Amino acid sequence: GIQVEQSPPDLILQEGANSTLRCNFSDSVNNLQWFHQNPWGQLINLFYIPSGTKQNGRLSATTVATERYSLLYISSSQTTDSGVYFCAVHFGNEKLTFGTGTRLTIIP
Amino acid sequence: DAGITQSPRHKVTETGTPVTLRCHQTENHRYMYWYRQDPGHGLRLIHYSYGVKDTDKGEVSDGYSVSRSKTEDFLLTLESATSSQTSVYFCAISAIGRNTEAFFGQGTRLTVV
Repeated sequence: GIQVEQSPPDLILQEGANSTLRCNFSDSVNNLQWFHQNPWGQLINLFYIPSGTKQNGRLSATTVATERYSLLYISSSQTTDSGVYFCAVHFGNEKLTFGTGTRLTIIP
Repeated sequence: DAGITQSPRHKVTETGTPVTLRCHQTENHRYMYWYRQDPGHGLRLIHYSYGVKDTDKGEVSDGYSVSRSKTEDFLLTLESATSSQTSVYFCAISAIGRNTEAFFGQGTRLTVV
């Protein structure tokens, strides 16, 4: 079946550190999104990035579709960055398939 | 923020009772989805809709039914709730499916006792 794998599963960092989260997928994709689930459970859209690189403030993302991976970069981490980060992909149909997430904890 | 409202936000129900969750959107998007989130499983698709009266199953559809009689409303029904259906349920919308961004509602926490 279709596989979406995220690494690392857990990450604990000091405030101010940088981090890289990875999403690997097992087939060609039409669509890839990154989400942040905050401690209150809300799913926040970060990037819609089927290919290429995008930046939004301290966050940036790169998807290399031909090599089937995407990276999310967080620079100068803040405590509000804590939560779970999900990538999700469309594999040529209407269904959006999620990875199991990376839990990020930022320590003051 | 995308105009998506889920109701109720929290519900406790007894095993064997029927439960209906509602997702309402104000974006006039064609696609609507129901997901459930459980520890260790991430988000898994239950059912989705690609238009009024057009629905299809996801990977965990057993025990659930859906209906979409209007563009703006997508209902998820548990015909006879079981403890294994205790979960957080999320509704999502997207304009035209695979090549457009999906947006999520705030979730419904359902507990079946």
